[in-house]
Amino acid sequence: EPEVTQTPSHQVTQMGQEVILRCVPISNHLYFYWYRQILGQKVEFLVSFYNNEISEKSEIFDDQFSVERPDGSNFTLKIRSTKLEDSAMYFCASILGETEAFFGQGTRLTVV
Amino acid sequence: SQKIEQNSEALNIQEGKTATLTCNYTNYSPAYLQWYRQDPGRGPVFLLLIRENEKEKRKERLKVTFDTTLKQSLFHITASQPADSATYLCALDGNTGFQKLVFGTGTRLLVSP
Repeated sequence: EPEVTQTPSHQVTQMGQEVILRCVPISNHLYFYWYRQILGQKVEFLVSFYNNEISEKSEIFDDQFSVERPDGSNFTLKIRSTKLEDSAMYFCASILGETEAFFGQGTRLTVV
Repeated sequence: SQKIEQNSEALNIQEGKTATLTCNYTNYSPAYLQWYRQDPGRGPVFLLLIRENEKEKRKERLKVTFDTTLKQSLFHITASQPADSATYLCALDGNTGFQKLVFGTGTRLLVSP
């Protein structure tokens, strides 16, 4: 069964450092997303990516965040200068069209 | 502003009973609504999708209803099992054409043997 894979599963970083979270979406999918979930809170949309560009982003996705699909398979989320409040689970998701979303297992980001 | 509400209190039921979870929304006209299961420390897993022109959808022991007049969806698990214990998330499409999902806070279901 096709799946979305994310690496690493857990990342610990110092405040102010840059982190890159990596995702391999399902190969024939067209829409790619990053969501985050702060512990005990709901899953929140960060950004959607379609046709090699950002199609929509939330208020959370400020200038510290960026996404890339550098090689047609990987999809990355970069946080330029991490803050304590960036600590959360980050989920990558992909969909084919107006169908269900396939989520990865997440990267737990801990900023210390 | 758009709002999705799920019962934040855990639902405790006995094995074999039917679990019913509720999702209410306001200031929204979703084209479809989805239900996901989330286990602790894991990503959401898709269960069912129901479109605005559908009243009911079934899949094995799962049933979803969608009432666009009441702005409510009900999610039922019949013959519940301890393995059904998880958090269940309601998600609506974001009405923007790029298929983003807007999630409710989820309801934790505990099925005891």
